[in-house]
Amino acid sequence: GAGVSQSPSNKVTEKGKDVELRCDPISGHTALYWYRQSLGQGLEFLIYFQGNSAPDKSGLPSDRFSAERTGGSVSTLTIQRTQQEDSAVYLCASSLGLAGSEQFFGPGTRLTVL
Amino acid sequence: DQQVKQNSPSLSVQEGRISILNCDYTNSMFDYFLWYKKYPAEGPTFLISISSIKDKNEDGRFTVFLNKSAKHLSLHIVPSQPGDSAVYFCAASALRGYGNKLVFGAGTILRVKS
Repeated sequence: GAGVSQSPSNKVTEKGKDVELRCDPISGHTALYWYRQSLGQGLEFLIYFQGNSAPDKSGLPSDRFSAERTGGSVSTLTIQRTQQEDSAVYLCASSLGLAGSEQFFGPGTRLTVL
Repeated sequence: DQQVKQNSPSLSVQEGRISILNCDYTNSMFDYFLWYKKYPAEGPTFLISISSIKDKNEDGRFTVFLNKSAKHLSLHIVPSQPGDSAVYFCAASALRGYGNKLVFGAGTILRVKS
């Protein structure tokens, strides 16, 4: 597709379960970012990939959060042992990776932890 | 510690009038500033940006002003149209940093009344 896609669009899970969120960036974009937006908050940076490596993981809130990127394309964000405070919209963005390159966002995955 | 602040949660403007959205930042390392627009259930879309070497950037009905000494930027929309109703996020980045991660404000809901 032409834009960034994310799946699932909605995910409801029970506290303590693991979830995987997927991001398909724009073809050719070397940089990939994960952000999350909690209710009433701005977007909060989680992790940045350049190719398959993650030089900046500073935004991951705990060791329950991890992410990987394979083939310089698809990325998966995994949250283990989900907690209610993990409920948020998780947004993925991709860019050409150059300084000042526009970041194009996907529609997000709304995660609800019951 | 919020590095980017949008102190007005919402703004209501009459169609045809000017909309002014404000943003303040605290980190002097930021040298690139962006505005994103977000509709419900969609990812943010890039609107306009400004580098710290400029104090104004204009694109059609949208103008961004940067006051570095005050660490303040604003987005002007003239004339405002009902289709401009959305959430507007201010974001900042340090291009000299690695990865160009964006730091977002909490957003301002703009309602343009017809």
